[in-house]
Amino acid sequence: SQQGEEDPQALSIQEGENATMNCSYKTSINNLQWYRQNSGRGLVHLILIRSNEREKHSGRLRVTLDTSKKSSSLLITASRAADTASYFCATDSGGYQKVTFGIGTKLQVIP
Amino acid sequence: DVKVTQSSRYLVKRTGEKVFLECVQDMDHENMFWYRQDPGLGLRLIYFSYDVKMKEKGDIPEGYSVSREKKERFSLILESASTNQTSMYLCASSSIGLAGPIDTQYFGPGTRLTVL
Repeated sequence: SQQGEEDPQALSIQEGENATMNCSYKTSINNLQWYRQNSGRGLVHLILIRSNEREKHSGRLRVTLDTSKKSSSLLITASRAADTASYFCATDSGGYQKVTFGIGTKLQVIP
Repeated sequence: DVKVTQSSRYLVKRTGEKVFLECVQDMDHENMFWYRQDPGLGLRLIYFSYDVKMKEKGDIPEGYSVSREKKERFSLILESASTNQTSMYLCASSSIGLAGPIDTQYFGPGTRLTVL
């Protein structure tokens, strides 16, 4: 069963614009992670935010976590054509509970 | 850099064949995972292992088995391949990190399996 659900499922923006993707989940979590997948490749880890954190930055990435709303957002600022990829959120509930991935948001950045 | 390798990028098999997908990681990670990825369904966990000879079922273990005889190697076995097992298979590994027993996962490039 999917824990995280990304929104929107697809997003198309112009280069230089900001891209925002959202993830909602159903049960309480220990950590939430965001991954990127270029077409036909494996996933690459972007950022991990713990349940007691509210915001985290990494370069052009900003992730927020609202545990009261059970949601997270990923903001990519000043997007580039190379950011074109699918983005997934993944949650785990702590211990050896499995990590659950959402269906993903497909981002297209038009040069 | 962490490296996770998978034995094949593309594989074509016939219905009923026994299929082995191999995954090797070089970072001494405790945890290893097998997922399949299908359009519209995202990644679904098949099995994972948090130690040598240990395995746990994921969301969709039916039709699959796994083997972890050595820490660095995690094999996925399709006992009798069927057409509905045509998919992209992704292997991942993670350490026991500060974020908890399951930390950042590092993925292999994937194996695209077609069962005819």
